[in-house]
Amino acid sequence: EIVLTQSPATLSLSPGERATLSCRASQSVSSYLAWYQQKPGQAPRLLIYDASNRATGIPARFSGSGSGTDFTLTISSLEPEDFAVYYCQQRSNWPQFTFGPGTKVDIK
Amino acid sequence: EVQLVESGGGLVQPGRSLRLSCAASGFTFDDYAMHWVRQAPGKGLEWVSGISWNSGSIGYADSVKGRFTISRDNAKNSLYLQMNSLRAEDTALYYCAKEGGPDYGDYVFDYWGQGTLVTVSS
Repeated sequence: EIVLTQSPATLSLSPGERATLSCRASQSVSSYLAWYQQKPGQAPRLLIYDASNRATGIPARFSGSGSGTDFTLTISSLEPEDFAVYYCQQRSNWPQFTFGPGTKVDIK
Repeated sequence: EVQLVESGGGLVQPGRSLRLSCAASGFTFDDYAMHWVRQAPGKGLEWVSGISWNSGSIGYADSVKGRFTISRDNAKNSLYLQMNSLRAEDTALYYCAKEGGPDYGDYVFDYWGQGTLVTVSS
């Protein structure tokens, strides 16, 4: 099973600051990595697929990068609605899709 | 508008069974693979099971293999999860999720329902 590790567990920032979230895979997942955002009481929302492609309707302040085992989600300037939990997910090997444990971005 | 509405959750004793349903609308259901993803209270996301558009390919997480069965009825635009031999560790919010298909690639989940809560306790 491919294990995903996310860091940091919690990121405390102020609106307008830049957020950099990391996701590391225990073995290569090529570019088959997605990012999701989840707010309290809501279902997850797809942000990024295949490491760097924004899903439809996702603002340009969200960007993804990386390949192989190391990936980054960057939020260039935090808006109030961006404070949430972010999960990475690999789709490299059927049928064992795994999610990372999440990074919580909260207001400093 | 894509809608996924789960139902069938509830309180069940360990060892008993439960069947979850997901009613889909707003897209051509039989064009897409579908999945179940769960989230234990206060925890992260765990993929549970997935099924291809024609039920020809089915997969399960190791944690549920042999106990859970996924199925779909394309005529009814519905997805199901039969859960047998339930354990306390199966307690979670169960989400139905649509696969992104050619837009986003296989095994990327572009739409999610709001979930149905399953509580396994005596």
